[in-house]
Amino acid sequence: AQSVTQLGSHVSVSEGALVLLRCNYSSSVPPYLFWYVQYPNQGLQLLLKYTSAATLVKGINGFEAEFKKSETSFHLTKPSAHMSDAAEYFCAVSDGTGANNLFFGTGTRLTVIP
Amino acid sequence: GAGVSQSPSNKVTEKGKDVELRCDPISGHTALYWYRQRLGQGLEFLIYFQGNSAPDKSGLPSDRFSAERTGESVSTLTIQRTQQEDSAVYLCASSPKAGGPVEQFFGPGTRLTVL
Repeated sequence: AQSVTQLGSHVSVSEGALVLLRCNYSSSVPPYLFWYVQYPNQGLQLLLKYTSAATLVKGINGFEAEFKKSETSFHLTKPSAHMSDAAEYFCAVSDGTGANNLFFGTGTRLTVIP
Repeated sequence: GAGVSQSPSNKVTEKGKDVELRCDPISGHTALYWYRQRLGQGLEFLIYFQGNSAPDKSGLPSDRFSAERTGESVSTLTIQRTQQEDSAVYLCASSPKAGGPVEQFFGPGTRLTVL
């Protein structure tokens, strides 16, 4: 079975500061991992995904995430926060078989302080 | 259209009424998913379609919930005899195929409020 834990339901950072959103996963098979972003009143948008090709994954809008098997983690980072990054971020895991259902974490709401 | 669309965007209903939520996937996407997002919680998988068949209905919370899909097109999620705990945002996603690390494209959701 797959599951995801996101530590911190709310994270606040100053504009220009480092963004770090934490995600730990549990999977009985090598996982596929995803980060999605949800802006207010919009659908979820894929930021990046890990597919075992490379442990450091670069996504859109300057975000990246590193897969660490030993820590079962896939934390999302961005060196310098912009006001436009304020949104809710979801980590998700899939085993990639069958239906490829995504199992989501509870989300982290990112606030960027001017 | 360019993306997944859902209607209505908001639905307020009274307890005990039936509701239908609609999803129009991206043209050509064979896989379609329904998720539920309760306030303060992550997305919860409900049902998956491959074409117009539903090989995985494991996430449907009760027999009051059902869904159908016409070919590789529109899907409708029906909730009968709605309860207050059904209040949530219902999200639909589609992907070109199922399996593998294929991106799911999400619609904006339908916010359901059961009074």
